[in-house]
Amino acid sequence: EAGVTQSPTHLIKTRGQQATLRCSPISGHTSVYWYQQALGLGLQFLLWYDEGEERNRGNFPPRFSGRQFPNYSSELNVNALELEDSALYLCASSLEYRGETQYFGPGTRLLVL
Amino acid sequence: SQQGEEDPQALSIQEGENATMNCSYKTSINNLQWYRQNSGRGLVHLILIRSNEREKHSGRLRVTLDTSKKSSSLLITASRAADTASYFCATDKTGGSYIPTFGRGTSLIVHP
Repeated sequence: EAGVTQSPTHLIKTRGQQATLRCSPISGHTSVYWYQQALGLGLQFLLWYDEGEERNRGNFPPRFSGRQFPNYSSELNVNALELEDSALYLCASSLEYRGETQYFGPGTRLLVL
Repeated sequence: SQQGEEDPQALSIQEGENATMNCSYKTSINNLQWYRQNSGRGLVHLILIRSNEREKHSGRLRVTLDTSKKSSSLLITASRAADTASYFCATDKTGGSYIPTFGRGTSLIVHP
């Protein structure tokens, strides 16, 4: 069974541009979570989607947004990129709403120049 | 601030030795999980311990939970070079949003 997949693996952008990151959950998983892992800061929760709805949002500005598609895959969009947005963006999925265990993808490393 | 904080920040040991890392948290929890991350890749779930459990084992891993001290420990016995990774604890707060809160991790290096 395929795990959580993310694309692209690496993304280089310049300040002010927009970035789109994609995630496909494990088959049968309905919940998708996005995290930002900046150097030395651990994982910071960004967004949680379940059944196409945004269920929760972390303490990030509105230029971080996303959506979940009918097939449960998800996109994370970051507008007006800033240098400090450079980080590893991790997507995770869980089997059900409020699923206890999350399964992580390999991440997208975003570099903003 | 982080709900869970791992200690130490970094740990360097020889192959065959045991590695112990700790996690402290601030508020009551439903469960606590440990994850491993290899060199900036995705996290791998290791073990989940619920608030009414005190100890769990999985292979060479042993996790304890002391809710009175709001702390947990992860013991890796007979460590191997392949155990080199960062280890994170994640807590699910009681009455919370079911979003696990991660600490900053312990970086473990096992020398062959």
